Amino acid sequence: AQSVAQPEDQVNVAEGNPLTVKCTYSVSGNPYLFWYVQYPNRGLQFLLKYITGDNLVKGSYGFEAEFNKSQTSFHLKKPSALVSDSALYFCAVRDRSGGYQKVTFGTGTKLQVIP
Amino acid sequence: DVKVTQSSRYLVKRTGEKVFLECVQDMDHENMFWYRQDPGLGLRLIYFSYDVKMKEKGDIPEGYSVSREKKERFSLILESASTNQTSMYLCASSSDRAPDTQYFGPGTRLTVL
Repeated sequence: AQSVAQPEDQVNVAEGNPLTVKCTYSVSGNPYLFWYVQYPNRGLQFLLKYITGDNLVKGSYGFEAEFNKSQTSFHLKKPSALVSDSALYFCAVRDRSGGYQKVTFGTGTKLQVIP
Repeated sequence: DVKVTQSSRYLVKRTGEKVFLECVQDMDHENMFWYRQDPGLGLRLIYFSYDVKMKEKGDIPEGYSVSREKKERFSLILESASTNQTSMYLCASSSDRAPDTQYFGPGTRLTVL
C-alpha cells in the first residue's frame, strides 16, 4: 500500500520569506513523487515530480522540492514567497512497481502568503 | 496547452436522481481519471480509463459507474445520487508518453439534496 501525509493543514508565511510545505510518504518499493497546486476556483496544476536522479527537483513558478530517502520526505520549497503563491498544495506518490494510474494524493496544505 | 473541460461547474440534484458528469480532453490522451475532493480527505480516485471502452476501479468506486465511448470523453455516472456524494468532482487526463503528469479540469461541485 502507498500513502502520503501532509502534516500541516495550513502554512502562513510573510511575503518575501522562504516557504516550506511538508510531505512524507510510504511505499513498499521506490517512489515517484509529485506536487500539484490548486488555485481558488481552478483545477489542480502540475508543479514538479521526482522520478530518479538528482534529489533536488526544480519545477514551475520557482518552486523546488527535495527528495530525502532516509526521512521518506519530499518537502516543497521556495526561496521567496509571493502573495500569488497562496493556494492549496497537494503532494502525491506512486510506487514504481504499481500501475501508473494509481497515484495517491495527500490531504492538501493551504498556503497563505501574507503581504 | 492541454485543455480538460467539465460540463458543469455547479450542479444541484435530488436524492435518487441519476447524475451524469461529463469530461472532455483535447490532447488525445490515452488515460482519463475521475476523482472526488473532500476537505480533510484530499483527492480520492473513483475510476480511471486507459483506453476507449476500458475502465478500472479506483479506491472508492461504490455508487459510481463510468463510460468511455470515445477517446476524448469520460463520463461519471451516479446511478442514484445520495447526500454523501455531495462533493467536488475532478476529471484528469494523461498521455502514455508521460503517464504521471495529470492535467485536471476545473471541477464540478455537486450538491445532492
